[in-house]
Amino acid sequence: ETGVTQTPRHLVMGMTNKKSLKCEQHLGHNAMYWYKQSAKKPLELMFVYSLEERVENNSVPSRFSPECPNSSHLFLHLHTLQPEDSALYLCASSQQTGDGYTFGSGTRLTVV
Amino acid sequence: DAKTTQPPSMDCAEGRAANLPCNHSTISGNEYVYWYRQIHSQGPQYIIHGLKNNETNEMASLIITEDRKSSTLILPHATLRDTAVYYCIVGTYKYIFGTGTRLKVLA
Repeated sequence: ETGVTQTPRHLVMGMTNKKSLKCEQHLGHNAMYWYKQSAKKPLELMFVYSLEERVENNSVPSRFSPECPNSSHLFLHLHTLQPEDSALYLCASSQQTGDGYTFGSGTRLTVV
Repeated sequence: DAKTTQPPSMDCAEGRAANLPCNHSTISGNEYVYWYRQIHSQGPQYIIHGLKNNETNEMASLIITEDRKSSTLILPHATLRDTAVYYCIVGTYKYIFGTGTRLKVLA
């Protein structure tokens, strides 16, 4: 374990489902991030939160909705996804924006 | 787009030093150089980072050229478990990942 815990590790969902990915860190970090990694593609930055405020949204479709209720937790709410959204979703945290990241192990999402 | 250029793949014999190059000619004065690695289907693992000076930790050494336009990650004694994709990133708070270097350590 890296100190950043993501659940579930694997998720299969239908295109009409609603599900949420959860990320939790107890490292005292105050910045958290969502990345998407599709097969054989580089990691894509989706969202950046600093001190629980969203500071970056990289043109992510509205079917992905992040939530950061406190500095230790980050969620990614999913609804009406498409098969091309199947990917590894990675959460990361850092002490402050600019420091090295600690990544979680990711959630492997399959949309059927 | 990523601000770094890395060779797509490299091989290294087990026990030898692995030297992974990275070009970042458009780096800004306040941007750090970070190195991460990703073993198949796991989250990337932080290795080392630096601004101007060379850095060393228990995992690796980072050599940054004086003009900061390129750097080299050195794994002093590569093992089979070092086989991974290695990413060089420059930035402050927002990391843009490129395609990295796929390092294969050979027995």
